[in-house]
Amino acid sequence: DAKTTQPTSMDCAEGRAANLPCNHSTISGNEYVYWYRQIHSQGPQYIIHGLKNNETNEMASLIITEDRKSSTLILPHATLRDTAVYYCIVRGNTNAGGTSYGKLTFGQGTILTVHP
Amino acid sequence: ETGVTQTPRHLVMGMTNKKSLKCEQHLGHNAMYWYKQSAKKPLELMFVYNFKEQTENNSVPSRFSPECPNSSHLFLHLHTLQPEDSALYLCASSQAGLAGAYNEQFFGPGTRLTVL
Repeated sequence: DAKTTQPTSMDCAEGRAANLPCNHSTISGNEYVYWYRQIHSQGPQYIIHGLKNNETNEMASLIITEDRKSSTLILPHATLRDTAVYYCIVRGNTNAGGTSYGKLTFGQGTILTVHP
Repeated sequence: ETGVTQTPRHLVMGMTNKKSLKCEQHLGHNAMYWYKQSAKKPLELMFVYNFKEQTENNSVPSRFSPECPNSSHLFLHLHTLQPEDSALYLCASSQAGLAGAYNEQFFGPGTRLTVL
């Protein structure tokens, strides 16, 4: 799976948009970009994923550059509860016995702190 | 609540003890995972079970012994652990599908293990 590079930490004011960048210059054609986050002392939580088109759900938007070498996770209106470590993960699916399952390789992520 | 439960939430054990961690998923998934998160280190994948068959073992020492009796339950049996094994142990599940299918992982809250 391709490696990702994220800033160590970022700050954001409550109510503002939080834009979290991720570089994945070695991504291959069949690899997806996933974002998870981990709030202190909890298990990671899935946010969003995409292949090459921009994606939006109730939590966030994912913008992937045309060359797919980088992406940005956007939390449109950050709240204090969005303070967490955000992980950008690039992976394809691992196939075993004709079925496919996910194998996530976590990096250090970005510590996002939302302040009042 | 993610649909993945783990017990106990906290565990303190001596190096000569034998204990087990339990994970249960109520999502109808057929792939289950154990991860380890040590202080200031990224999450590390330990084991993967796909349709009750172990398909990944990331060079985990034999003092960690996983068991998957059915697709809803996953255990991690612990014996003669070392203090450096103290960590947060996270369980996750996903729906394994046809090759190429997307597999979001749902994580439990983790078991905080302290080895004295």
